[in-house]
Amino acid sequence: QKEVEQDPGPLSVPEGAIVSLNCTYSNSAFQYFMWYRQYSRKGPELLMYTYSSGNKEDGRFTAQVDKSSKYISLFIRDSQPSDSATYLCAMRNQGAQKLVFGQGTRLTINP
Amino acid sequence: NAGVTQTPKFQVLKTGQSMTLQCAQDMNHNSMYWYRQDPGMGLRLIYYSASEGTTDKGEVPNGYNVSRLNKREFSLRLESAAPSQTSVYFCASSAGQGAGGTEAFFGQGTRLTVV
Repeated sequence: QKEVEQDPGPLSVPEGAIVSLNCTYSNSAFQYFMWYRQYSRKGPELLMYTYSSGNKEDGRFTAQVDKSSKYISLFIRDSQPSDSATYLCAMRNQGAQKLVFGQGTRLTINP
Repeated sequence: NAGVTQTPKFQVLKTGQSMTLQCAQDMNHNSMYWYRQDPGMGLRLIYYSASEGTTDKGEVPNGYNVSRLNKREFSLRLESAAPSQTSVYFCASSAGQGAGGTEAFFGQGTRLTVV
């Protein structure tokens, strides 16, 4: 079993929809949780970063962490065609150098 | 500000050939990483360097070697390329755990095909 599980999709939704992307994990020591966005043929870029449990909002994006369920989510409101990309979750322990990534979910927003 | 620069962007190798992928960062980051990305597998860590002068194996180190040349540069070498090493390779850097840095900045990737 992988430490971090993420549904690879693909996920296709109409413009303006609310998108929910999720990851589950097995390592209860993970403390730092990140979402990266990767456009086609580009490197990943950090989108959201959360420490421990709770919610974090940045514009149309909201990241949620539920450590009791070992489950993290990224919500995209009023989705735009420019949000079409692969979204990767990543996480690490308090003292670790290494990030553990999910497989990535390919998202397409249709105009 | 260039960030993380990888060279080359594309490469085709024959089985058994060797090559070195170059990576340089201009953000004064302590930590640098090499990942490979394959369809359905996500990003897998090959090697990392927590600080200048140190390197450690990641999840999939077999067939690769690395050199942390200085604080800016971290190279990845394939001594005898195999078709299984066909992938997209990403270099990344971060300020490092000790400096409170979590965000990893990625280069644009090197698309390698081994025939």
